[in-house]
Amino acid sequence: EVQLVQSGAEMKKPGQSLKISCQASGYTFNSFWISWVRQAPGKGLEWIASIYPRDSDARYSPSFQGQVTISADTSLSSTYLHWNSLKTSDTARYFCVRQQQWPFYHVDYWGPGTLVSVS
Amino acid sequence: EIVLTQSPATLSLSPGERATLSCGASQSVASSLAWFQHKPGRAPRLLIYGASNRATGVPARFSGSGSGTDFTLVISSLEPEDFATYYCHQSGNWPSRPSGLSFGGGTKVELK
Repeated sequence: EVQLVQSGAEMKKPGQSLKISCQASGYTFNSFWISWVRQAPGKGLEWIASIYPRDSDARYSPSFQGQVTISADTSLSSTYLHWNSLKTSDTARYFCVRQQQWPFYHVDYWGPGTLVSVS
Repeated sequence: EIVLTQSPATLSLSPGERATLSCGASQSVASSLAWFQHKPGRAPRLLIYGASNRATGVPARFSGSGSGTDFTLVISSLEPEDFATYYCHQSGNWPSRPSGLSFGGGTKVELK
C-alpha cells in the first residue's frame, strides 16, 4: 500500500527557515516523480515543485521558483521542501503527492498534509 | 503555464440529482486530465485520470469525458457522501520541458 507520511505542524516567525519532510513507502521511490502542493487558507490547490528521485531532476512552478527548494534522499525514501526565509503568505497546508508514471503522470496519492503557520 | 478554469464555482443540488462539472484548459493537455474529490481536513481522493478512467474503487456514478481543452465530470446521482469540493488537475506536457502541473480553482458541490 502506498503511504506518504509527512512531518508535523510548524509554527514559525517571518524570516525563519523551515524544512518539512515526507517519507514514502509501498512503492519504488526512485521510479516516480514526487511533488509538493499547497493549499492556503480558503484557497484552492497550487503545485509548487516536483522531483525525480533517481536523478534529482527538479521542476518548479514559476510562482515558487527561487522561494523554496525541493530535495530527495533515496536512502530514506524521503522528499523535503525547504524555505530560507518564511513569509506570512507561506501560511498553508502543504501536501506531499506522488505522480503516476507514463502516460499521464497525474497525481495519484496524497499525504495528509503539513500545516505551516507563519506569524 | 497551463491555467485550468472550473465552472460553476458552486453547485447546489439535492441527493439523487445529476451533477455536471466543467474544466477548461488554456491550451491543450490532450487526455492528461484528472479529477479529485476533496473534503475538509482530508487528503484529496483521485476519482478520474486520463480524462475518462475511473481510479480503483471509485463508484460507477462518477464519469469523466473530454480531451484537448474541454473536460467534464458527471456524478449521475448524488449520494450524501458526494457533497465536497472537486478539482481538476492537468499534467499535459510532463515530463518534457517546459512543463508543469496545475489545478483548477475547484467546484463546491453543496446540499441544496
